[in-house]
Amino acid sequence: GAGVSQSPRYKVTKRGQDVALRCDPISGHVSLYWYRQALGQGPEFLTYFNYEAQQDKSGLPNDRFSAERPEGSISTLTIQRTEQRDSAMYRCASSHSDSSGNTIYFGEGSWLTVV
Amino acid sequence: AQSVTQLDSHVSVSEGTPVLLRCNYSSSYSPSLFWYVQHPNKGLQLLLKYTSAATLVKGINGFEAEFKKSETSFHLTKPSAHMSDAAEYFCVVSGTDKLIFGTGTRLQVFP
Repeated sequence: GAGVSQSPRYKVTKRGQDVALRCDPISGHVSLYWYRQALGQGPEFLTYFNYEAQQDKSGLPNDRFSAERPEGSISTLTIQRTEQRDSAMYRCASSHSDSSGNTIYFGEGSWLTVV
Repeated sequence: AQSVTQLDSHVSVSEGTPVLLRCNYSSSYSPSLFWYVQHPNKGLQLLLKYTSAATLVKGINGFEAEFKKSETSFHLTKPSAHMSDAAEYFCVVSGTDKLIFGTGTRLQVFP
């Protein structure tokens, strides 16, 4: 597609439920990133893939959070047993490679509200 | 480790006056630096980036930023603000494998 596509754009879920957020990166982009942005804050790094390999997951807050990119294209961020503190905008981004200085393109994000 | 500090959480200007959004960086090596803009209910859009070429970088919508190594700064400027410039602006440094964002500066433009 023309840009990074994320779905759903808005998700309201009850505490304790699992949620899956999907990211479809720009075609041909090798690197894919997940960020979380709380209200009034800058985006914070969660995890990153090169092709299907998860290169860095140091930003995942705890083991309820996981991500995969099985075929090196579409990625899914899964949050198990959601808690209210998980409410945030989850942003996906992709870039042509992981070289420093490469332009990273962001999707419009998925707003998650846990009630 | 890399980090950025945005010195102002809010900046207010009148339409037609200059804009200055301040950013200082910390990096153990020559950094790549970016400015991103976020309009309400929109995605993050790249304004400009510095990758060790010219120190004065021109971006979209009339914005530019100057890399000053001696001051470890990468301030964003625009000669004349427009109402449509009202948004959140993020200064960003590239780490080894990820972008590190500042906390953002909200720009208000008054008529």
